[in-house]
Amino acid sequence: EVQLVESGGGLVQPGGSLRLSCAASGFTFSSYEMNWVRQAPGKGLEWVSYISSSGSTIHYADSVKGRFTISRDNAKNSLYLQMNSLRAEDTAIYYCARNKRPDAFDIWGQGTMVTVSS
Amino acid sequence: DIQMTQSPSSLSASVGDRVTITCRASQYISTYLNWYQQKPGKAPKLLIYAASSLQSGVPSRISGSGSGTDFTLSISSLQPEDFATYYCQQGYSTPLTFGGGTKVEIK
Repeated sequence: EVQLVESGGGLVQPGGSLRLSCAASGFTFSSYEMNWVRQAPGKGLEWVSYISSSGSTIHYADSVKGRFTISRDNAKNSLYLQMNSLRAEDTAIYYCARNKRPDAFDIWGQGTMVTVSS
Repeated sequence: DIQMTQSPSSLSASVGDRVTITCRASQYISTYLNWYQQKPGKAPKLLIYAASSLQSGVPSRISGSGSGTDFTLSISSLQPEDFATYYCQQGYSTPLTFGGGTKVEIK
């Protein structure tokens, strides 16, 4: 079964850091581009970051540029999001999502909740 | 950034109704337009990619059309499992952007 499972969410104080992980299974992870997408409570979807299959090309939303870092380990079938200098407005469910050309998201994880609050 | 505007933001419909949701891009995006369905507490599900291609496993009562800046998602005969929120998303350029969503509720 094709599956993505996120982990690493939780409660963190403003200015703090958190590292999210996404474990992939059921497909050849190294062949696929990947993304992080978030959804604030009761709000719509917001794309956060993209990484190519090799990791050589990366894009970020302006709202997280300079604070978040996307990476992947193809040997471990895993995607990561390092989040630094967290703000209250980063509070959201964070989903990892597999890319389907042309830039659709065809497989999603169940999401992990990140709450930034003092 | 490309802005995606969906309308309506919500609608009420009955089982068996035909439902149409529109999505407008703030600039030309060819057919780089995708549609998702999201139910409460669940991750979004891809329905339509490249404006009109049906994702595997999605029922044929769901269809998409459009190109350029104007797009439409249609459900030919609304079923109970179709009550959800629908989002469009452009894949033409980064930042990838979503519409604000359309909530389809039971009348």
